[in-house]
Amino acid sequence: EVQLVESGGGLVQPGGSLRLSCAASGFTFSSYEMNWVRQVPGKGLEWLSYISSGGNTMYYADSVKGRFAISRDNAKNSLYLQMNSLRGEDTAIYYCAREKYYDNSGYDFWGQGTLVTVSS
Amino acid sequence: QSVLTQPPSASGTPGQRVILSCSGSSSNIGSNNVYWYQHLPGTAPKLLIYRNNQRPSGVPDRFSGSKSGTSGSLAISGLRSEDEADYYCAAWDDSLSGRVFGGGTKLTVL
Repeated sequence: EVQLVESGGGLVQPGGSLRLSCAASGFTFSSYEMNWVRQVPGKGLEWLSYISSGGNTMYYADSVKGRFAISRDNAKNSLYLQMNSLRGEDTAIYYCAREKYYDNSGYDFWGQGTLVTVSS
Repeated sequence: QSVLTQPPSASGTPGQRVILSCSGSSSNIGSNNVYWYQHLPGTAPKLLIYRNNQRPSGVPDRFSGSKSGTSGSLAISGLRSEDEADYYCAAWDDSLSGRVFGGGTKLTVL
């Protein structure tokens, strides 16, 4: 059974840092590209970042470029999002999602999300 | 403000056919595939349509997608109460070098 389980969310002060993790199981993690997507409460989905299957190529949304860093450890079947200089507007549910980028198959599986709250 | 434009709300009665629209530009929908996701609050989003009009296994054929120029659309026929959800379109944007989502359409089944 395919599973993506996010963790690491919580309450953090403005200007602080947080590292999210996404544990993958039930599929060959190293064969999939991965993404982080968030949803601010009451708002829509926002794509944040992409990483290639081998970890060599990354893309970021302008809203997080320079503050967030995506990475992966294929040996541990894990995806990460290092979030620095956090702001109130980063308060959201953060989802990881897999895709076969070159197959244009879309985000065919998502995790349940982890809540990040940025507040003093 | 989202790069892809969707009407914020839509509605229909059980059994009806509804069409949700998604408007983009030449740098996203005009030159790349359109994807559609269904999202119920508190749950993981679900892929409904990929590559403009392809359905993943398990998605009922009541859901269909199409693309024309810089716009995409999702049609839902035989509307059911369980279709009440938020629907998002998405596409890669060449200018932004990233994926973009629409603002979402909240579908209400009356």
